[in-house]
Amino acid sequence: GAVVSQHPSRVICKSGTSVKIECRSLDFQATTMFWYRQFPKKSLMLMATSNEGSKATYEQGVEKDKFLINHASLTLSTLTVTSAHPEDSSFYICSARGNTPSTDTQYFGPGTRLTVL
Amino acid sequence: AQSVAQPEDQVNVAEGNPLTVKCTYSVSGNPYLFWYVQYPNRGLQFLLKYITGDNLVKGSYGFEAEFNKSQTSFHLKKPSALVSDSALYFCAATTVSGYSTLTFGKGTMLLVSP
Repeated sequence: GAVVSQHPSRVICKSGTSVKIECRSLDFQATTMFWYRQFPKKSLMLMATSNEGSKATYEQGVEKDKFLINHASLTLSTLTVTSAHPEDSSFYICSARGNTPSTDTQYFGPGTRLTVL
Repeated sequence: AQSVAQPEDQVNVAEGNPLTVKCTYSVSGNPYLFWYVQYPNRGLQFLLKYITGDNLVKGSYGFEAEFNKSQTSFHLKKPSALVSDSALYFCAATTVSGYSTLTFGKGTMLLVSP
C-alpha cells in the first residue's frame, strides 16, 4: 500500500519550453502533496506544499509563476516548469500524504530527472 | 527552527557487520522522526518512523532506530549489513502529525563491502 508514481521518469527539453510532471497516489487519497527538488549528492529541498483543492504554498525563494502546481484531485498533483532553462535541470521528487493512520506519512514517488538543453 | 543533522557523509561497513547511521535533531515540542532510503536515480523509500511509544522502532528490511530524547538522537541500526543495503539514507523530522513539512538531514551514504 501507499504507492506514489511519477510521470515521466525522465525528460529532456529545449530551453524555453514548458514541462509538466505528474504525481499520483495509486492506492490512497492524498490530501496533501509535496514537491521537492534534489541536486546531485544533496538533500531534498522542499519547493511547495499543496492541499487538494487549494492553492499551493511555496517555500521562500521558489518562484510560483515558474513552478506551477495543481492539486486538482485527491490522487493527482502536477508540477509544470514553465519556460525551462538549463539551471532548472534537476531531480524532482513528489510525495503524498493521506489523513488515515496508515497513510499519515509522506510516501515518495520515484522522481523525475529533468534535463534542459 | 527545525534542524536535522547527519554528521557522517559516508559510512563504510563490511557485509555481516552491524551498522549505525547517526541522526540528531532539534525541534520545538515533541518530535516525529523518520528514516528514508534512496537508491540511485530513485525516490525515497520509507523505512520507519517514531511518533510515540517504544523508543526502539522496527522498520522495513531489518532496520531499526532508537529514539533517545535526552541526546536528541534517532540513530538507524541494523544487526547485520547486506551489500544491497548500500544506498543514501535520510533522517527527517517534524513536530506534528498533521500536515507539517519534514525537515531532512543532508543524507548519509552507506557503503557495504562484500
